[in-house]
Amino acid sequence: AQSVTQLGSHVSVSEGALVLLRCNYSSSVPPYLFWYVQYPNQGLQLLLKYTSAATLVKGINGFEAEFKKSETSFHLTKPSAHMSDAAEYFCAVTTPARAAGNKLTFGGGTRVLVKP
Amino acid sequence: NAGVTQTPKFQVLKTGQSMTLQCAQDMNHNSMYWYRQDPGMGLRLIYYSASEGTTDKGEVPNGYNVSRLNKREFSLRLESAAPSQTSVYFCASSDPLARGAYNEQFFGPGTRLTVL
Repeated sequence: AQSVTQLGSHVSVSEGALVLLRCNYSSSVPPYLFWYVQYPNQGLQLLLKYTSAATLVKGINGFEAEFKKSETSFHLTKPSAHMSDAAEYFCAVTTPARAAGNKLTFGGGTRVLVKP
Repeated sequence: NAGVTQTPKFQVLKTGQSMTLQCAQDMNHNSMYWYRQDPGMGLRLIYYSASEGTTDKGEVPNGYNVSRLNKREFSLRLESAAPSQTSVYFCASSDPLARGAYNEQFFGPGTRLTVL
């Protein structure tokens, strides 16, 4: 079975500091990986996705993530936090077969607080 | 395009009452989903529909029923609400078999349900 672990349910960063959100997955076959963002009182929006092309994936709002197969990780980073980055972030995993079967497994989420 | 829309946005029920959450999408997606979101638990799949006329159970289907009314609409019904069903409910849609889709899911804004 696939699973996703997000280390840290809450992260606090200062405005202008690096944002690093950790995601580790388990999958017996090459995965597809996603990061979604949820702003307060809204639904989830896709930030970026990895689908077996380049291992460094750039997304919206200055975020990027690097797929590291040896570490089974897909950590999300942004060099300089902005107040508008305060949100909850979800990592998700699937595989080609599972995607065709409508399956997507989410991590527990990491809530980011940005301090002025 | 409105994307995925959900009604109502908020609802308060008493234990034992019933209600239906409505969801519609205008992206011509084949697949639709209902998730619930609880603190620290990420999103858990309740039911999904891979195509018009089909529905399947997800991770937490007990206490819920669904109807795929047509390609656009997918409703979630609570027949006898319980306090354990207090949650935020999200509808999503995707086209997992489309080229380049990878089961990227598009989410509605959510329904915040409280059962007293």
